[in-house]
Amino acid sequence: NAGVTQTPKFQVLKTGQSMTLQCAQDMNHEYMSWYRQDPGMGLRLIHYSVGAGITDQGEVPNGYNVSRSTTEDFPLRLLSAAPSQTSVYFCASSTAGLPQYFGPGTRLTVT
Amino acid sequence: GENVEQHPSTLSVQEGDSAVIKCTYSDSASNYFPWYKQELGKRPQLIIDIRSNVGEKKDQRIAVTLNKTAKHFSLHITETQPEDSAVYFCAASIGEGNNRLAFGKGNQVVVIP
Repeated sequence: NAGVTQTPKFQVLKTGQSMTLQCAQDMNHEYMSWYRQDPGMGLRLIHYSVGAGITDQGEVPNGYNVSRSTTEDFPLRLLSAAPSQTSVYFCASSTAGLPQYFGPGTRLTVT
Repeated sequence: GENVEQHPSTLSVQEGDSAVIKCTYSDSASNYFPWYKQELGKRPQLIIDIRSNVGEKKDQRIAVTLNKTAKHFSLHITETQPEDSAVYFCAASIGEGNNRLAFGKGNQVVVIP
């Protein structure tokens, strides 16, 4: 199993650009989530999904969209990038509803 | 509020000594308390967790204790080794059905050889 994979590993965007961060897992986990990690702030939940077709907002959802059309994939879309979205983004999955396995992360810089 | 606080923010220990990190939480309905280890530049890894119906759980050199009355839980690392150097995050389940986690801001543990 590849576990949880994320692409890209690094990305630089200009303010106002949009992009999609990809996340996939091959463990047939129902629960997937997106977190952002900023220095000194711990991990903050952006959006999560308890199964295909079901998504919900976390602690910091503004500026981000998600969809869950399949069990395997959970992409995160930045609609109009802002410098405040510069961060490291982690995707996570689990069977039991809370993050068990994290992906390797995407380091995003918005200039 | 749904706050999780960790103490101390940085902890230095001599190799072979024990390290203890304490977390406090505010939501009395929280029932799941995981700990994650994150090495520099890498992903967080779940190392141990505990549920509210248990007071203590051990896994080799690490253990977690929970005091629900005082709303705090602690990570204990015995016989520390250099590879234990990392940032450790605690978290507590929150929300309807306890389906989300609130994370602490992390503790930097440095094991001095």
